[in-house]
Amino acid sequence: DSGVTQTPKHLITATGQRVTLRCSPRSGDLSVYWYQQSLDQGLQFLIHYYNGEERAKGNILERFSAQQFPDLHSELNLSSLELGDSALYFCASSVGPGPGTEAFFGQGTRLTVV
Amino acid sequence: QQPVQSPQAVILREGEDAVINCSSSKALYSVHWYRQKHGEAPVFLMILLKGGEQKGHEKISASFNEKKQQSSLYLTASQLSYSGTYFCGTEKSPGGSEKLVFGKGTKLTVNP
Repeated sequence: DSGVTQTPKHLITATGQRVTLRCSPRSGDLSVYWYQQSLDQGLQFLIHYYNGEERAKGNILERFSAQQFPDLHSELNLSSLELGDSALYFCASSVGPGPGTEAFFGQGTRLTVV
Repeated sequence: QQPVQSPQAVILREGEDAVINCSSSKALYSVHWYRQKHGEAPVFLMILLKGGEQKGHEKISASFNEKKQQSSLYLTASQLSYSGTYFCGTEKSPGGSEKLVFGKGTKLTVNP
């Protein structure tokens, strides 16, 4: 158990809908990273927050947004969902803003868009 | 900016050795190695910071050549439990954006 909690574990929703994925980092970690993992695509970096502030953005679609709250949990909002958004979404947390600090991954949320 | 891993897949017999490579076109500050088993979250193996250091963890070790922007993961006398997909993650030098970007992974299968 990495200490990073993601909810829900599974989500099935229809195209066009909006969903929210939640991540609670390990106790003491201030950084949260979000990744999308599709078949054959590895781990695609989406966004990084540190202590409530956005620090870096990857290939995150405009339909996606995220935030980190004062209690350090983070939410990833996915809207106007398309079939291609079906993937495993991971969050990871680390102590520092990077670089050079190890990241611990949650178990992921498997999103299926039908 | 995504690091390139090679090979894409490796099949070994128990007890054999393997090397997985990770290279980047950008200057790197650190390289992270993770292993992911099917249906599970990636698990941290080790970090290498620039300086050419080599780290080891039992029979798994890695090196980082900052001049070549390359890292290699060495798996010695492989065990069945080593099976999984190995990802390298890279960070650029401090002052660059704070992204931990992963390669597409190397699938390692260890057979009895």
